[in-house]
Amino acid sequence: DAKTTQPNSMESNEEEPVHLPCNHSTISGTDYIHWYRQLPSQGPEYVIHGLTSNVNNRMASLAIAEDRKSSTLILHRATLRDAAVYYCIPGTYKYIFGTGTRLKVLA
Amino acid sequence: KAGVTQTPRYLIKTRGQQVTLSCSPISGHRSVSWYQQTPGQGLQFLFEYFSETQRNKGNFPGRFSGRQFSNSRSEMNVSTLELGDSALYLCASSLAGGGSEKLFFGSGTQLSVL
Repeated sequence: DAKTTQPNSMESNEEEPVHLPCNHSTISGTDYIHWYRQLPSQGPEYVIHGLTSNVNNRMASLAIAEDRKSSTLILHRATLRDAAVYYCIPGTYKYIFGTGTRLKVLA
Repeated sequence: KAGVTQTPRYLIKTRGQQVTLSCSPISGHRSVSWYQQTPGQGLQFLFEYFSETQRNKGNFPGRFSGRQFSNSRSEMNVSTLELGDSALYLCASSLAGGGSEKLFFGSGTQLSVL
C-alpha cells in the first residue's frame, strides 16, 4: 500500500503562510495527490489535487516535488478558519486518510 | 445541487443491537465510500460501492456490511454492536471513484453504543 507521512501537528500565526508537508515515497506514476481538510464537527472537504505540476486554487497551492515523492500544501495567509486536520492522500488509495496534520492557527 | 446527506445525524444504541445508517450521494454520483472516525484511530476506510457492487473494502470485521441501491443511495449495517463501535460514521460520494476525482463528504452519523 502507498504510505504517506505527515507531521501530527503544526502551528501558525494568523495572516502568515503555512507549508504543510507530506511524504508519499511509494506513490505510483499515475496517482494524483489529493489534499482534504476536516474542520471541527464536520466531514472532510476537498482542498486541492494534482499529478505533476504545481496547482493553485482559491483555497491553497500544491507544490509537488519533481520526483513526486513529496508534496506541500501551501496556505498563503492562514486564518482562524483554517484550523483543521489536513489529510494528504495518493489517488489510488484515496480512501486511506490516516491521521493527518492538525493545524493550529494562533491569533 | 444538494450535497451528500446522511441520516440519522445522531444515534444511541445498546450493545448487541444492530444499526443501519443511510447515505444519499450527490445526484449523478455513482461511487459511495464509508468511513469510521474515532479520536484514537483517525479516519478509517470501511468500504466503497459502485453501481451496486462493493469494489473496495477496508480491514473491518464482517459485522460491518453495506449495500448500494440502483439510485446510488447506500446503507451500512453494523450487527451485534460493541462499545468500540461508538464513532462518527462518514460517507462520501464521487462520480465514479476514479483516482483524479474529488470526494464529497456528508456531515456524518454520530453513533453511541451504551
